[in-house]
Amino acid sequence: DADVTQTPRNRITKTGKRIMLECSQTKGHDRMYWYRQDPGLGLRLIYYSFDVKDINKGEISDGYSVSRQAQAKFSLSLESAIPNQTALYFCATSDLSGTGGHYANTGELFFGEGSRLTVL
Amino acid sequence: SQQGEEDPQALSIQEGENATMNCSYKTSINNLQWYRQNSGRGLVHLILIRSNEREKHSGRLRVTLDTSKKSSSLLITASRAADTASYFCATDNLSLTQGGSEKLVFGKGTKLTVNP
Repeated sequence: DADVTQTPRNRITKTGKRIMLECSQTKGHDRMYWYRQDPGLGLRLIYYSFDVKDINKGEISDGYSVSRQAQAKFSLSLESAIPNQTALYFCATSDLSGTGGHYANTGELFFGEGSRLTVL
Repeated sequence: SQQGEEDPQALSIQEGENATMNCSYKTSINNLQWYRQNSGRGLVHLILIRSNEREKHSGRLRVTLDTSKKSSSLLITASRAADTASYFCATDNLSLTQGGSEKLVFGKGTKLTVNP
């Protein structure tokens, strides 16, 4: 089984619908991330969480919300999907690199296989 | 805005040649990481270099970091067709308020094609 699992892997929906993308991990990492990938724009950070009680906005959080239900689960919601949210979405987890507790340096990221979302 | 910017955007070489990709960034960092992505798949970590390191090797990979120029390079030696992928740099940004990690930010990537 994959260490970082995203569901669904593919989803086609209509404008205005509510969509939830789910991510679960077996790495035991505190840090989790949601990224969006568009052709030519690379990966852009939507939200990130350093632990269950910590949620932070990334570069492009407008139109999205997240929930950290447990250490292992981090879900991304689109309350009212629009066509320009069509993209490939990645969840990732990370370990720490060095000491420093909650704000220690970020180590290697482990990615899920992605969720391809199409909004018509 | 993107923190890391890779250069070139695309690179096409013959098998056996070396491939060099560059990454520039803007703010202070804790570390810089390089990732590989096969088409449509999740990213895979290649190497992490800390801000106090200048060079690191892993197999056919060599990464350099110049914090004075805010730049890094990834060299793949003796390339193979299987190295065809997109390569991304990611910077672990230094939090000015907390002193540790702020967030990990990716560049737009370099698309490498290795022709057999």
